[in-house]
Amino acid sequence: KAGVTQTPRYLIKTRGQQVTLSCSPISGHRSVSWYQQTPGQGLQFLFEYFSETQRNKGNFPGRFSGRQFSNSRSEMNVSTLELGDSALYLCASSFGLQGRGYGYTFGSGTRLTVV
Amino acid sequence: QQPVQSPQAVILREGEDAVINCSSSKALYSVHWYRQKHGEAPVFLMILLKGGEQKGHDKISASFNEKKQQSSLYLTASQLSYSGTYFCGTEDTGRRALTFGSGTRLQVQP
Repeated sequence: KAGVTQTPRYLIKTRGQQVTLSCSPISGHRSVSWYQQTPGQGLQFLFEYFSETQRNKGNFPGRFSGRQFSNSRSEMNVSTLELGDSALYLCASSFGLQGRGYGYTFGSGTRLTVV
Repeated sequence: QQPVQSPQAVILREGEDAVINCSSSKALYSVHWYRQKHGEAPVFLMILLKGGEQKGHDKISASFNEKKQQSSLYLTASQLSYSGTYFCGTEDTGRRALTFGSGTRLQVQP
């Protein structure tokens, strides 16, 4: 079965711009979580959506937002990009909240570079 | 609050054993373990639920000490394919988000 698909794989943006990243979860998975991965900070939780509702949110500024559609696909948006937003953004899908029971399946990520 | 993993890095020869520890200051509901190879996505290894169970997966097993809020991942008779960064993820009893440790880089040499 198809895995978690993230698009695009790579992005280069300029400071001040905004960006939208997309994630298609595994069929049947209703939970989608987003993480930011950087060498210095590791995997930092952004938010989790379940059945189109945001269930949890991490400690990121309001410039980071997301949503989930009725088909469980999710998007995250970052506005007014800063250099420090350069990172690998990972999407993870699971059957239940917080990956209970079966764990998360991660996508390959979107590598965002802000210049 | 992020769980603490130790050691930060370990180098092994093929066939040697390793233990990676993960501890939290919060009461935990579950602990996940993932392995990430360079340039790839993290891959789920196993989940341990509150109740202090131990699980095994080929030569990789883990335990969860609920009283100490600690989990350990055991890799026995390591293989080259075990190389990568291992992350523990913890879910506290408040049922908040899965929070990951900073990772343990494991390198298995021939």
